[in-house]
Amino acid sequence: QVHLVESGGGVVQPGRSLRLSCAASGFTLRTYIMHWVRQTPDKGLEWVAVISDDGNEKYYADSVKGRFTISRDISKNTLDLQMNSLKPDDTAVYYCARNLYGNPEYWGQGTLVTVSS
Amino acid sequence: HSALTQPRSVSGSPAQSVTISCTGTSSDVGGYNYVSWYQQHPDRAPKLMIYDVSKRPSGVPDRFSGSKSGSTASLTISGLQAEDEADYYCCSYAGSSSVFGTGTKVTVL
Repeated sequence: QVHLVESGGGVVQPGRSLRLSCAASGFTLRTYIMHWVRQTPDKGLEWVAVISDDGNEKYYADSVKGRFTISRDISKNTLDLQMNSLKPDDTAVYYCARNLYGNPEYWGQGTLVTVSS
Repeated sequence: HSALTQPRSVSGSPAQSVTISCTGTSSDVGGYNYVSWYQQHPDRAPKLMIYDVSKRPSGVPDRFSGSKSGSTASLTISGLQAEDEADYYCCSYAGSSSVFGTGTKVTVL
């Protein structure tokens, strides 16, 4: 049974960093493309980043390019999102999701990130 | 990619049908047959209802159906039920990224 659990969210000041993690079970990350998606009440769902099944290709939304880095640890079967130079606009619930034909399929329950002074 | 355009809200009585549109461009909806639809109840994660424009994952009722014409995709809910009241989002593959719709609130009257 596929299960995704995000962690690492919290309150952080603008300009600081935060690292999110997503623990996967029921499947191995090395065989799936994985996404990060975020959601705010105002903007709805926003795609953030994707990593290929072999880990060699990574793509980002323009709004986070150069500040966020997606990665994975195959030994731990976890997906990570390193978020640097955080802005108030990055405040959102962050979800990890497994891919199915280009788009998210299974989603975690989300972790809340609040960027505020 | 700009967000795909969905109506803010649609409503219908039980047993009626409602259709939600999702309009994009030739770079996303119009360029690929990789459109997905998600249902989201309050304080819950999104749930996949349709993928590849019109395919249903196992366990999704056949009351839910999807289609596409040009750069506009659609989700139809037939035989509306109370538990269908939720937010619905479309999503399209767009090359090396995905793009979501603006979201539609479905109200069962």
